[in-house]
This record gives sequence, C-alpha cells and structure tokens, in this order.
Amino acid sequence: DTEVTQTPKHLVMGMTNKKSLKCEQHMGHRAMYWYKQKAKKPPELMFVYSYEKLSINESVPSRFSPECPNSSLLNLHLHALQPEDSALYLCASSQGGTGIVDEQFFGPGTRLTVL
Amino acid sequence: GDSVTQMEGPVTLSEEAFLTINCTYTATGYPSLFWYVQYPGEGLQLLLKATKADDKGSNKGFEATYRKETTSFHLEKGSVQVSDSAVYFCALSAPNTGGFKTIFGAGTRLFVKA
Repeated sequence: DTEVTQTPKHLVMGMTNKKSLKCEQHMGHRAMYWYKQKAKKPPELMFVYSYEKLSINESVPSRFSPECPNSSLLNLHLHALQPEDSALYLCASSQGGTGIVDEQFFGPGTRLTVL
Repeated sequence: GDSVTQMEGPVTLSEEAFLTINCTYTATGYPSLFWYVQYPGEGLQLLLKATKADDKGSNKGFEATYRKETTSFHLEKGSVQVSDSAVYFCALSAPNTGGFKTIFGAGTRLFVKA
C-alpha cells in the first residue's frame, strides 16, 4: 500500500466552527507533514512530525493545531479560521529517520473553504 | 538560504513536441533533487529524483540530470502527450534540516494540445 489518504475531500466551514482534517498512511513511514497550497502556488510547509513528535512548526497560527496520535495517523484541528485560510491542505509522508533525505508521498488533499 | 528557480509558465506544446523545463537551485551542502507533478484536482506525486551529482533520474519518458557545476536539474521529455498536461514542480530536500524540509520551485504549468 503506497497511498496516503485524506478525509474529507472537501470542507466548508464558518469562522466560528471547529473541524478536523485527517490523514492516514500504512507504508511504515516515520515522518508526516502538513502543507497548505494556494491556487497556482507551490505547497507551503506547515508542520512536520518525526516519530510522532512535532519536529518543525513553520510559525503557523495557533488556530491550526496538529496532532499525531500514532505513526499512521495525522490530524489537523481547525478553529476560528479566517477566509484567507481557504486553500488545499495536503498531507504527506516519508520514510524519515536520521540522515535520510528522501521523497515524500502526498495525499490528494482537502479543499477547505472558510466562509 | 536554499532556493529553487524554475522557468515560468504556462508552457503550451503540441502533442509529440520536445519538452524542456529549466530548473536551477541554490543550496548549502549536497541536496537531493526532485521533480514532482500535480495533475488537476490531485496531490503531488514524485516524477523522478537524483541524489548526487551526475545522477540521472528517469520515469515515464521524463528525465533530468543533477548538474552540480551549473546547479541545474532540467526536466526533459522527447515526445509529450496530452496526458502530460499538469503542473511540474522542481524541488530540493534541504540536507541541513535532516531532509525534512523540501524547497519547491514556483511550478510550471504545461498544456499539451492534441
């Protein structure tokens, strides 16, 4: 299984809502990532988890809260978002491990619209 | 800091034409280099990679060679198909971050006409 799955595929939420994005992989990868992608732009890194610990937070606003319950799952909790947070949110995973520089496997993304 | 510069698009070609998308990079250390492709409505997928100087990555008729002397990793394909229409991202894996940070170029949109 070389797939990263993401749910939901689409999400529309108001600025006062609380919602969560989910990501799952069963490749035994130890590094997992959240990216934000605006239209016609490259992905922007938000968070990296390595061995279920937060390794990188790219100064993301606290209204985005990541969680890694186990090595296969990654969540992104959303609260009090702004319309400018509307974007495609991509999850990715990679083999991970010290000194390993390897490619990332991306999920199909969640298209988020904040009203 | 590390960066990737790729040619601006969109690039419009007729089917069976030759494709080149230029990519140059700036990095400290010895990065791995990648080309990712994003088809409409989908996430990114790895197209090819190279991990050291003079390596050639290839996949689905696409190829790119890691040129350290010119800090380049240009993508080429001899004969494009309509199904190759997508956005192509050149990227490097920043070694000084343990490989966790991937630096993406701005992306080049390719349209192939039948």
